[in-house]
Formats: sequence, C-alpha cells, structure tokens
Amino acid sequence: AQSVSQHNHHVILSEAASLELGCNYSYGGTVNLFWYVQYPGQHLQLLLKYFSGDPLVKGIKGFEAEFIKSKFSFNLRKPSVQWSDTAEYFCAVMGGGSYIPTFGRGTSLIVHP
Amino acid sequence: KAGVTQTPRYLIKTRGQQVTLSCSPISGHRSVSWYQQTPGQGLQFLFEYFSETQRNKGNFPGRFSGRQFSNSRSEMNVSTLELGDSALYLCASSSSMGNTGELFFGEGSRLTVL
Repeated sequence: AQSVSQHNHHVILSEAASLELGCNYSYGGTVNLFWYVQYPGQHLQLLLKYFSGDPLVKGIKGFEAEFIKSKFSFNLRKPSVQWSDTAEYFCAVMGGGSYIPTFGRGTSLIVHP
Repeated sequence: KAGVTQTPRYLIKTRGQQVTLSCSPISGHRSVSWYQQTPGQGLQFLFEYFSETQRNKGNFPGRFSGRQFSNSRSEMNVSTLELGDSALYLCASSSSMGNTGELFFGEGSRLTVL
C-alpha cells in the first residue's frame, strides 16, 4: 500500500526564519505530487504540484518544493516565513496505479511574529 | 466559479444515531471524493464517486456509505455513530480530465458525536 510520511508534525518558527518540511513516499514509478495548505478556519487549498519536468516547483506565496526521485522525497521550502503562513500543511502523492491521492498526516506550522 | 459546497458545516449527534452529509462539487467536476480528517491522523480516504458509481473505497467499516446523483452532487452517510466518528469530513471534487489527482476541497462538515 502507498504511504506518505511527513517527518515534522509540529514546527514553530519566528518570522523571517527559513522553512523546510519533509515528505517521503513509499513507492517508485510515476507519481504526481502535491502540497496542500489549510489555514485556520479555511478549506484545504493547493499550494503547489508536480506532474513532470523541472523537479523544482514554485507555488503560491513564495513556496517551492523539490522532487528528488532517488530519495522518494518532495520537500516543501520557503526562504522566509511570515506570520500568515501559520497553517497545517499536507503532502499528497498519487501514483502506483491509483488515481486517489494518499495524504500524509500533516505538519502544523506556527509562525511567531 | 463556485467552489465545493458542503452542508451542514457543523453538527452534533449522539452515539447510535446516523448522519447524512452533502457535497456539491465544482460545476463540471464529475469526481467526488470523501475524506475523514482527525488530529494526528491527517486525511483518511473514505470513497470516491464518478458518474454515480463508486470507483474507489478506503478502509472504513460498512457503516460509512455514500452515493452520487446524476448532477454529481454526493452524500455520505454514517450509521450507528460512535464517539470515534467525531471528525471533520471533507469532500473534494476533481475534473475527470487526465486524472491528475488534483483535488478541490470544500470547507468540511464538522461532526461531533457525544
């Protein structure tokens, strides 16, 4: 069965700090990769996605993610976080013959002003 | 373009009761998926419907069921509620084009079971 691991469950940062959230998945082959964000009281929304091509993907609000196939990873990064980035972040992977994305357990990010 | 709409947004039930949740997908989207979100467990896949047919099902007991109507609107039902069913239930729709896996989520229905 497919599995997605998000290593950090809770991250607390100060504004302007750099952010990297880890995401690893369990299977090879062609994958579609996603990061979703859930701001407090809001619905889950797509932050960025990777289907093919350049493994460095840029998303909304200054976020980017790098697909490293050899490491089965799709880590999310932001050079300088803001208080408004406080949210829960979910990594999701679709592949292995399934078109149902599998989600990680999520990482709760708190950014102190 | 209107987003995914879920109703009700909040509800409180007691053990043993049943509940029905509704989801209206984005216009033109024919696939509707349901997820259960709980703290620490993330999103657990319940089932996915496409053109009124259940295409995929997650590992939930038979108390959890769903259906999709000809206008792509979907409902899920949970019978004989248990305390552990307290969760945020998310509906997501996707375009049938390409099966990319990109989902558009509603705000969820928060169920509390007492």
